[in-house]
Amino acid sequence: QVQLQESGPGLVRPSQTLSLTCTVSGGSIINGGYYWSWIRQNPGKGLEWLGYISYTGSTYYNPSLKSRLTISLDTSKNQFSLTLSSVTAADTAVYYCARESSLYDRNNFDYYYVMDVWGQGTTVTVS
Amino acid sequence: DIQMTQSPSSLSASVGDRVTITCRASQGIRNDLGWYQQKPGKAPKHLIYAASSLQSGVPSRFSGSGSGTEFTLTISSLQPEDFATYYCLQHNSYRTFGQGTKVEIK
Repeated sequence: QVQLQESGPGLVRPSQTLSLTCTVSGGSIINGGYYWSWIRQNPGKGLEWLGYISYTGSTYYNPSLKSRLTISLDTSKNQFSLTLSSVTAADTAVYYCARESSLYDRNNFDYYYVMDVWGQGTTVTVS
Repeated sequence: DIQMTQSPSSLSASVGDRVTITCRASQGIRNDLGWYQQKPGKAPKHLIYAASSLQSGVPSRFSGSGSGTEFTLTISSLQPEDFATYYCLQHNSYRTFGQGTKVEIK
């Protein structure tokens, strides 16, 4: 069973770069068909999708963060990572990593994407 | 960018009540929508994909409907374990979550 675990510093200074890693266990990160995602949740707020990287290394970012965000794969360690530059207090959040899988729906004869495995989340404070 | 407007932002209900949550997309997204449940301090859990297909293991009291721009999540008979916050998520273009609906005990 695939499990995800976020890791990284809990405190980052304003204007610095936030770096987090998600370690994947129970399966290979380069097995086809998955997207590896980052999502965050500001304190007491809703969920915000940040971006994902495919098993081939293609990346897709939230347009509102694209200039500051990089997601990368480290296949040797079975990990993927997030770096967010020039952070401010608005970047204080719980950061989740998640696996996005494609499901075939027989009713619609089409594929759909679901975030089916999540890490437990890691709290990052910018201060 | 596709915006997802979810309503209501919160609701109070009793065990056994029927609950309906709505999500509206700023443009048509076919049925490229899922629903997620999040409990305090926990990661979200996937409930529904393709707007109306139940994820394996999810109780049948949960159902989804809609296509295009209007979507609903219905809980037919609210159970104690269903008190949580619910989010819609579109995957037609990038990904966008709705703002969430907190279902509280009346």
